[in-house]
Amino acid sequence: ELKVEQNPLFLSMQEGKNYTIYCNYSTTSDRLYWYRQDPGKSLESLFVLLSNGAVKQEGRLMASLDTKARLSTLHITAAVHDLSATYFCAVDIYSFGGGSEKLVFGKGTKLTVNP
Amino acid sequence: NAGVTQTPKFQVLKTGQSMTLQCAQDMNHEYMSWYRQDPGMGLRLIHYSVGAGITDQGEVPNGYNVSRSTTEDFPLRLLSAAPSQTSVYFCASGPTGDSNQPQHFGDGTRLSIL
Repeated sequence: ELKVEQNPLFLSMQEGKNYTIYCNYSTTSDRLYWYRQDPGKSLESLFVLLSNGAVKQEGRLMASLDTKARLSTLHITAAVHDLSATYFCAVDIYSFGGGSEKLVFGKGTKLTVNP
Repeated sequence: NAGVTQTPKFQVLKTGQSMTLQCAQDMNHEYMSWYRQDPGMGLRLIHYSVGAGITDQGEVPNGYNVSRSTTEDFPLRLLSAAPSQTSVYFCASGPTGDSNQPQHFGDGTRLSIL
């Protein structure tokens, strides 16, 4: 059974600071997704990581994947208040047709960026 | 661009009642799925479908039924609602054969069972 663990689960940080969210998973997979969720809202896709060593960046967020260590990181650079949200990683455990299919989610990291 | 549309957005049921949560997508995606989100639990997969006429169970399927008669629609049925099914339900869709495309999520249905 695939387990996906995120840490920390809660993160309070000041604007301008850097921090990293970690996502560990227990079985082999080379497909990992990061999502953002604002309170009461749906999930918004942030990054798709499909191979070992994949690194993607969008604004102040950068995600990476190490399939050998079964670890993905989401790094936040110079945080701003607008980044306050819950961030989920999700690992794809099934490759029926090569698409994103059966996702196992971490419990989420609730990020609060304070002025 | 409608994307993934879920109805209703909110629903309150009494224990033992039945209801169907609707999900429709207009992106011609083969893959559709239902998740439930509970506080501190992340999202857990209930049922999924890889195409019309094909469905399978996810991590927490008990108490729920699904069917997929068309590519566009994937309804989730609660046969006899229980308080433990109080949750936020998300439907998602995605194309098979293209892992570069993440799953697209609907806005959710907030369900309370009294």
